[in-house]
Amino acid sequence: DTAVSQTPKYLVTQMGNDKSIKCEQNLGHDTMYWYKQDSKKFLKIMFSYNNKELIINETVPNRFSPKSPDKAHLNLHINSLELGDSAVYFCASSLPRQGTNYNEQFFGPGTRLTVL
Amino acid sequence: RKEVEQDPGPFNVPEGATVAFNCTYSNSASQSFFWYRQDCRKEPKLLMSVYSSGNEDGRFTAQLNRASQYISLLIRDSKLSDSATYLCVVNGMVDSSYKLIFGSGTRLLVRP
Repeated sequence: DTAVSQTPKYLVTQMGNDKSIKCEQNLGHDTMYWYKQDSKKFLKIMFSYNNKELIINETVPNRFSPKSPDKAHLNLHINSLELGDSAVYFCASSLPRQGTNYNEQFFGPGTRLTVL
Repeated sequence: RKEVEQDPGPFNVPEGATVAFNCTYSNSASQSFFWYRQDCRKEPKLLMSVYSSGNEDGRFTAQLNRASQYISLLIRDSKLSDSATYLCVVNGMVDSSYKLIFGSGTRLLVRP
């Protein structure tokens, strides 16, 4: 059974469009994340939710809006797509952070977004 | 200075070789340290956590030097299947919140 799943796996779209990526985890974790991995392979956190509450909101454009309908789902909606949004977007989940100590994060397979 | 720095490689080694990767981090208050492995066009997966006392998992040994803010990963008896990118991951305080910070990775190519 897939632990962290994302849909779609590939997304090709035109500039200016609005698109969503869905993420679901069946690990029973309370914390979920969205990461962006650009062409230089840097993996940077965008958002983190703990039990449906936003706890990390990096400096990303307002065009990116996460939504967590329940603690097993964290979706990412992107408005007015731009060329620079092309990247691989990874969803991840983990047990909650304990103080400053992090637990292992389990990643989804990624969504490769190409904006034309 | 980058928060987590790694030599991008690639390290090109023959099967059976021993190879070591290093990583330095800038936040002296960091408490969590990991090595993740990422295969081409796949998601990162945890290889091992890194503890202060150092830890070993089969052919893999991780070391942490807090004084030098330095983490290492040693792979003994390299296999073809070890070819991947190895990501050094550290937690750090950025803009008043703790988060995991990923290095850009070190690429390993193991040749027959």
